[in-house]
Amino acid sequence: DVKVTQSSRYLVKRTGEKVFLECVQDMDHENMFWYRQDPGLGLRLIYFSYDVKMKEKGDIPEGYSVSREKKERFSLILESASTNQTSMYLCASSGQGAQGEQYFGPGTRLTVT
Amino acid sequence: GENVEQHPSTLSVQEGDSAVIKCTYSDSASNYFPWYKQELGKRPQLIIDIRSNVGEKKDQRIAVTLNKTAKHFSLHITETQPEDSAVYFCAASKGAGSYQLTFGKGTKLSVIP
Repeated sequence: DVKVTQSSRYLVKRTGEKVFLECVQDMDHENMFWYRQDPGLGLRLIYFSYDVKMKEKGDIPEGYSVSREKKERFSLILESASTNQTSMYLCASSGQGAQGEQYFGPGTRLTVT
Repeated sequence: GENVEQHPSTLSVQEGDSAVIKCTYSDSASNYFPWYKQELGKRPQLIIDIRSNVGEKKDQRIAVTLNKTAKHFSLHITETQPEDSAVYFCAASKGAGSYQLTFGKGTKLSVIP
């Protein structure tokens, strides 16, 4: 069974803190993605990784960085959290070859106070 | 970059009626168009997808149509049931062959028993 897991379901951090969100997939997928989901705005791509140590900026990368040291793990880093980064963060993965389904994790609801 | 517009933002239908959600995209090179369903509190899941070399695809009560010339695609759900109530997202690939997707802002479908 396909599985994408995220390190936390809920997270509360203070402004200025460094925040790590982790995502792990067990499908041997090459592609991994980080999105943020806000009401009325849909899913917006923050970063994409197509291989270990490889990454591409998405539509809203400002204020975020990522790390992919192992194929199964993709981390999103907020260097200095701000209140406008309060959101639901979704990780996803997909295989290479033909474009196909992205499998999503359960999401992390991050609140920055 | 790619822009995906989705309408309507909310849709209410009586059980048994049909529902139609429409999306337009801006990048004529996009070649992959998936639809995701997100039930309340759950992760998005792929329900159907279509590639640019096909005009229509059906899967039981769900169908998707694509008009490449007009750059729009639609989701059709027939014989709606209460369990179809969810938020639906359309998406388009960022150019030909890209694994990255641009999502629409979502349509909240309510099926009234």
